[in-house]
Amino acid sequence: SAVISQKPSRDICQRGTSLTIQCQVDSQVTMMFWYRQQPGQSLTLIATANQGSEATYESGFVIDKFPISRPNLTFSTLTVSNMSPEDSSIYLCSGGEVTYGYTFGSGTRLTVV
Amino acid sequence: KQEVTQIPAALSVPEGENLVLNCSFTDSAIYNLQWFRQDPGKGLTSLLLIQSSQREQTSGRLNASLDKSSGRSTLYIAASQPGDSATYLCAVTPSARQLTFGSGTQLTVLP
Repeated sequence: SAVISQKPSRDICQRGTSLTIQCQVDSQVTMMFWYRQQPGQSLTLIATANQGSEATYESGFVIDKFPISRPNLTFSTLTVSNMSPEDSSIYLCSGGEVTYGYTFGSGTRLTVV
Repeated sequence: KQEVTQIPAALSVPEGENLVLNCSFTDSAIYNLQWFRQDPGKGLTSLLLIQSSQREQTSGRLNASLDKSSGRSTLYIAASQPGDSATYLCAVTPSARQLTFGSGTQLTVLP
């Protein structure tokens, strides 16, 4: 299974600023995803990161707020823009192949003050 | 739309007990099903992957079964230990290829 390194592991940010989260995979993977997990909740899919093209966003998530890049098959970034306290969550990236299952990064715990 | 339900939401057992966590899903058209473990404030660790053509998978003290036709999976943990305390998440991969998660079972194993 692919191993995913995610950073930063945590950050405290001022409202109105932006934070970029990076995920590096140790092997090429077809699929990469970004999730949000609010306190006490399960995971909610933000978007599918598509290599070389625009990400596919789920209902309720927009590119202006959560721009995503995926320049190659091993790397992706998620930016949380113009942050507010409501954006305080754990953000997780995931990657792999549908046949072999998916693995996850260790998560980024974001606190917006 | 695929929906995944996990029962119970929380479970507390004494050390050494065998236990079963349940997962059900509404659409049987899945590629596979994964069980994950999540420790507080951490990412997810994949425990077991069951392909849609398989009935069960085993890893150490863990055994997961899949009945695709009835939309059910169980995770059996033998001889539970305090280190097993975590939230266990069930997720299915439907035709859209991304995971659909249940809400999880929070397990506490008491020493």
